[in-house]
Order: sequence, then structure tokens, then C-alpha cells
Amino acid sequence: DVKVTQSLRYLVKRTGEKVFLECVQDMDHENMFWYRQDPGLGLRLIYFSYDVKMKEKGDIPEGYSVSREKKERFSLILESASTNQTSMYLCASSEINPGQYTGELFFGEGSRLTVL
Amino acid sequence: KNQVEQSPQSLIILEGKNCTLQCNYTVSPFSNLRWYKQDTGRGPVSLTIMTFSENTKSNGRYTATLDADTKQSSLHITASQLSDSASYICVVSSYVGANNLFFGTGTRLTVIP
Repeated sequence: DVKVTQSLRYLVKRTGEKVFLECVQDMDHENMFWYRQDPGLGLRLIYFSYDVKMKEKGDIPEGYSVSREKKERFSLILESASTNQTSMYLCASSEINPGQYTGELFFGEGSRLTVL
Repeated sequence: KNQVEQSPQSLIILEGKNCTLQCNYTVSPFSNLRWYKQDTGRGPVSLTIMTFSENTKSNGRYTATLDADTKQSSLHITASQLSDSASYICVVSSYVGANNLFFGTGTRLTVIP
């Protein structure tokens, strides 16, 4: 089974602090994604990556950056956390482009971030 | 504009009853539609996928339908169980563009004994 691991499930940070969220997948998937999920807004794409060292902005990239130095690892960075970044962050991976028939997204368990 | 709308926002049903969740979309060109189930505090998990040529597909007690002409999909849950309590998210994909997934905001289903 595909496993997408987000090691930090819950974290509390203060405004201005740097936040580093890590995601690791074990199925050699090419594509990895970072979403945030907020009540009433659903999942919104922050950044995605279709290859090592490659990144593309999603719908809401402001205030975030990402790093993909190895195929299995995709990190989300908040350089200076703000209260409006309090949210659930979900990492996902897929073998191929999710727009294609077999492009199922496999999600991690999520990282719930609270910024005070 | 590509959009996905789900209804109702929330639903409470008695254990053993059936229910139907709706998903309307305007995504074009259409590639496929997936229903995901998200348990509280967990990541979403795919239940079923529908392509343009498929009208109905079942996965146990879950049956998804797709009407590509009216751009509507439904997820029918039969003989609900307490474990069906979750959010159900409709995701429509297009086969063009790098950012080609469009998410509904989900239906929160609560099954009570």
C-alpha cells in the first residue's frame, strides 16, 4: 500500500516563527502536492511538484515555499508564520498526473498548524 | 470558470438508512470525477472514479453515478453504518493544464444510532 507520511500531526507556533512541514512517500511517485484545508473552503492547492527539484505554484502560494531535493520528500516552508496560516495541511502524491484515469491522489494524515 | 459544487453541506441520517450526495461541476474539458472519503482527522481516501463513458459504478455499499451531459454526479450510500460518518469530497479533473484538479467543499455526513 502507498504510504504518505506527515510526521508532525499537530504543532503550535507563534507569529513570525519559521515552520517546516515534511512529507515522505514510499511508492516512488513522481508527483507530490501540498494542500491546505479550511472549513467551508475545501482543499486548496499551495504548491506541487512533478519532478525532483521542480516546483509549480498552485492557487494560494503566497507566504509559502517548498523544497523537493529527493523524489520521496516534499517539504512545505512557512518563512514567517501568520495567524491566517492556521489550518490543516495535507500532503499528497500520485503516480501520474491526477487528471489521467489512474492518477489517484494518496494523502497523508495531515498536519494541523495553529499560529498564535 | 471551472467549479465544483456539492450539496448538501451537511447531512444527518439514522443508521441503516440510505442517502444521496450531489456534485455539480462546470469543469471543461472533463477527464474524470472521483469521490473521496475523509474521516475526521485523517486524509481523504479515494472511493471511486468515473470517466466520461461511465454512468454507474459501485464500491460495496457506495454507488456513484455520472451524467456527463448535465455535469452532475451523485454518491449513493446504502444501509448506512456508523463508520460512514465522514466528509465526502468530489474532485473533478481536466486533462489540460498542470493544475487540473478541482475540489468541491465536501458534504459532512453524520450517521447516528
